[in-house]
Amino acid sequence: GNSVTQMEGPVTLSEEAFLTINCTYTATGYPSLFWYVQYPGEGLQLLLKATKADDKGSNKGFEATYRKETTSFHLEKGSVQVSDSAVYFCALMPRGGQGGKLIFGQGTELSVKP
Amino acid sequence: DAGVTQSPTHLIKTRGQHVTLRCSPISGHKSVSWYQQVLGQGPQFIFQYYEKEERGRGNFPDRFSARQFPNYSSELNVNALLLGDSALYLCASSLVPLSYEQYFGPGTRLTVT
Repeated sequence: GNSVTQMEGPVTLSEEAFLTINCTYTATGYPSLFWYVQYPGEGLQLLLKATKADDKGSNKGFEATYRKETTSFHLEKGSVQVSDSAVYFCALMPRGGQGGKLIFGQGTELSVKP
Repeated sequence: DAGVTQSPTHLIKTRGQHVTLRCSPISGHKSVSWYQQVLGQGPQFIFQYYEKEERGRGNFPDRFSARQFPNYSSELNVNALLLGDSALYLCASSLVPLSYEQYFGPGTRLTVT
């Protein structure tokens, strides 16, 4: 079946530190991959996406590359800010008949200290 | 432009009761999906509707049902509430069901006591 596994949190970093949040997936075929962010008390916001192997999604300084050979989609940012504190969710969308259904990881809480 | 809206924001119900949650998609979006997010976990897919028809269903009991109206808004109904139904219920809208771009509302926080 389809599933997503993320590194456990919480992750605590100092401002301007480098961020990596690991995400690996299991899927039949070639899914589309996403990172969503959830700020306290809010819904989910799409952060970035990649729809095929070797695609790199990027937004607001965050990047993730679709690695088919390692079934991974790790989130990175070179210099985090306090405002990046949130919960980050890796997700996949299967192709074909199950398209449109997002399958999420358990989320990784990021806390950035000044 | 208004984003996805959901009502109510918070709701407290007693075990055994019934609840109706509402969602209005972004203008022009014809597909609505519902997700349940239990505290500390990622959202779980419940339903997807498009053009008033169910296009997908997750692994939830028959106590959960939904419908979509001609204006593309949607309702999620849960009967015979259990304590385990306490969660944040998220609605997402997209232009079409297979769209990569799904936009989430702020959610309805349901507490079952």
